[in-house]
Amino acid sequence: AQTVTQSQPEMSVQEAETVTLSCTYDTSESDYYLFWYKQPPSRQMILVIRQEAYKQQNATENRFSVNFQKAAKSFSLKISDSQLGDAAMYFCAYRSLGGTYKYIFGTGTRLKVLA
Amino acid sequence: GAVVSQHPSWVICKSGTSVKIECRSLDFQATTMFWYRQFPKQSLMLMATSNEGSKATYEQGVEKDKFLINHASLTLSTLTVTSAHPEDSSFYICSATLTANQPQHFGDGTRLSIL
Repeated sequence: AQTVTQSQPEMSVQEAETVTLSCTYDTSESDYYLFWYKQPPSRQMILVIRQEAYKQQNATENRFSVNFQKAAKSFSLKISDSQLGDAAMYFCAYRSLGGTYKYIFGTGTRLKVLA
Repeated sequence: GAVVSQHPSWVICKSGTSVKIECRSLDFQATTMFWYRQFPKQSLMLMATSNEGSKATYEQGVEKDKFLINHASLTLSTLTVTSAHPEDSSFYICSATLTANQPQHFGDGTRLSIL
């Protein structure tokens, strides 16, 4: 069975600085999807970025980028030029290519942005 | 695009009553919908996966008779918490997806409080 681990329960970053959130996973599959979701205090789940395992190029979305290391089974999220609105819980999620499409979530990292 | 509406956003009711939560995909047809439960400061816990016209697939430990799921159309799934008790109080979130290569899109969640 697949597992997702987020080893940082909480992180802090100064406004305008860069922070990296870590995520590791365990799987025997060769193709899969990985996601980062943001959950602000409103508790809405917002998709931040996604990565297909077969793509070697790291995904980027504006200030958000990932460092995907397939061999190491690592999928970290880098947030550049941090803003107060980035403060939230961040969840890493794994999904198999086939099957039921269900996610396996990590335990989350709470990001605090300091003014 | 890819908007999921969840209703109600907050409900308070007496112990012993049944509560229905609706999840609608507004601008796409969702082949698969998911129901999650989230305890404070924890990750999302998958309760069940539902496919239109089929019986829902429940995760281990989730009571099928307590949490009734109906997915009668490609745009609507409902979760009914039957004979709710205070221990059922939680935050419930639904999500929907169209195809294998699309991410899950989440509703805004329902805060359920049983008195």
